[in-house]
Amino acid sequence: DGGITQSPKYLFRKEGQNVTLSCEQNLNHDAMYWYRQDPGQGLRLIYYSQIVNDFQKGDIAEGYSVSREKKESFPLTVTSAQKNPTAFYLCASSIRDRGGNEQFFGPGTRLTVL
Amino acid sequence: AQSVTQLDSQVPVFEEAPVELRCNYSSSVSVYLFWYVQYPNQGLQLLLKYLSGSTLVKGINGFEAEFNKSQTSFHLRKPSVHISDTAEYFCAVRLSGGSYIPTFGRGTSLIVHP
Repeated sequence: DGGITQSPKYLFRKEGQNVTLSCEQNLNHDAMYWYRQDPGQGLRLIYYSQIVNDFQKGDIAEGYSVSREKKESFPLTVTSAQKNPTAFYLCASSIRDRGGNEQFFGPGTRLTVL
Repeated sequence: AQSVTQLDSQVPVFEEAPVELRCNYSSSVSVYLFWYVQYPNQGLQLLLKYLSGSTLVKGINGFEAEFNKSQTSFHLRKPSVHISDTAEYFCAVRLSGGSYIPTFGRGTSLIVHP
């Protein structure tokens, strides 16, 4: 079955440590996205990538980094520079065109920084 | 730039009652509109979308939405809700022919009581 996987589902880290969240898709989508979700704030875009080896900052990129070395994979690193990293992180993908194509979401990773 | 307002952060309702979740958007050009559902600790999944044509759109799980261009609204409705409909609902908008990056509302929490 085609879809998006994120791992791990739950992640605990100590303050000051970098941590990398995994996102893999087998939908053959060019575009991939990372969102952060906090209670009552909806989804905020961190980074997105339109094609391999290319990515752009979203609305809240500070303290995060990404790479897109393969079409299927778009890992997100939460660095120690992110002031409040505890949140639910969602990865998504979509066809990259100007039509009415929806996004497909992974199950999310809940990051807790102790 | 487009924006989305979900007027109610929380909507409590009794089982088998009808429900309407409100969504208004602002855009000076044509848009695509989406409703997503998120069950606790999961990713988002598409309920329905409006691209063009008939203003009444039917989706999964008995939900439907009506596009009203003059009122710039895309309200989601269900005639009879079930306990299992308890979830977070997000409205999203994309510019037709523009950026494929959607803008999400802050979400409405639907709470169905027995």
